[in-house]
Amino acid sequence: QVQLVQSGAEVKKPGASVKVSCKASGYTFTSYDVHWVRQAPGQGLEWMGIINPSGESTSYAQKFQGRVIMTRDTSTSTVYMEVSSLRSEDTAVYYCARDSGSSWLYYFDYWGQGTLVTVSS
Amino acid sequence: SSELTQDPAVSVALGQTVRITCQGDSLRSYYASWYQQKPGQAPVLVIYGRSNRPSGIPDRFSGSSSGNTASLTITGAQAEDEADYYCNSRDSSYSHRVFGGGTKLTVL
Repeated sequence: QVQLVQSGAEVKKPGASVKVSCKASGYTFTSYDVHWVRQAPGQGLEWMGIINPSGESTSYAQKFQGRVIMTRDTSTSTVYMEVSSLRSEDTAVYYCARDSGSSWLYYFDYWGQGTLVTVSS
Repeated sequence: SSELTQDPAVSVALGQTVRITCQGDSLRSYYASWYQQKPGQAPVLVIYGRSNRPSGIPDRFSGSSSGNTASLTITGAQAEDEADYYCNSRDSSYSHRVFGGGTKLTVL
């Protein structure tokens, strides 16, 4: 069965960086794009960006351009998302989600369990 | 980039029908998908495309779309349907996505 398993919670100081992992299993890793979505405490879902695990192409929401980098390791079927220059507003649960793979229906069919990143001095 | 607008909160009596709406220009071109999120849990896909339900989603959940508005309808709401619901759609850029602000559903 398809699973996305994320790394554990992190506590970081302002200005630091954090790298969250998302290990995929149960499907062909390079056949489906992976998105990252975050949710600040008590707030809604926010789309951050997408990575194509096959060619490692990425695209980011304008808000995160220059501060977020998404990468992948095909040998371990893992995608990574690194956020730099952390500030308190980045405190959130970060989710990875698999793209449907459809060229005309756009949805996330599987989600990771989420990783809480806390930014605090 | 596009925006999707949802009512912040909706309530429904147990066993009654409720419609949750999502408005945005991108919905004139692309179907919305809908996600249910309960406290402390990851979102779960409940509707995609015209009105497709993933395996395991009860048939009381359905979707529809007209113009710039997508709707999620729960026919015969149950206590376990109390949750936050988010719509999502493709943005103007092929690979980008956008979420609505979410609707908190209370089942009375």
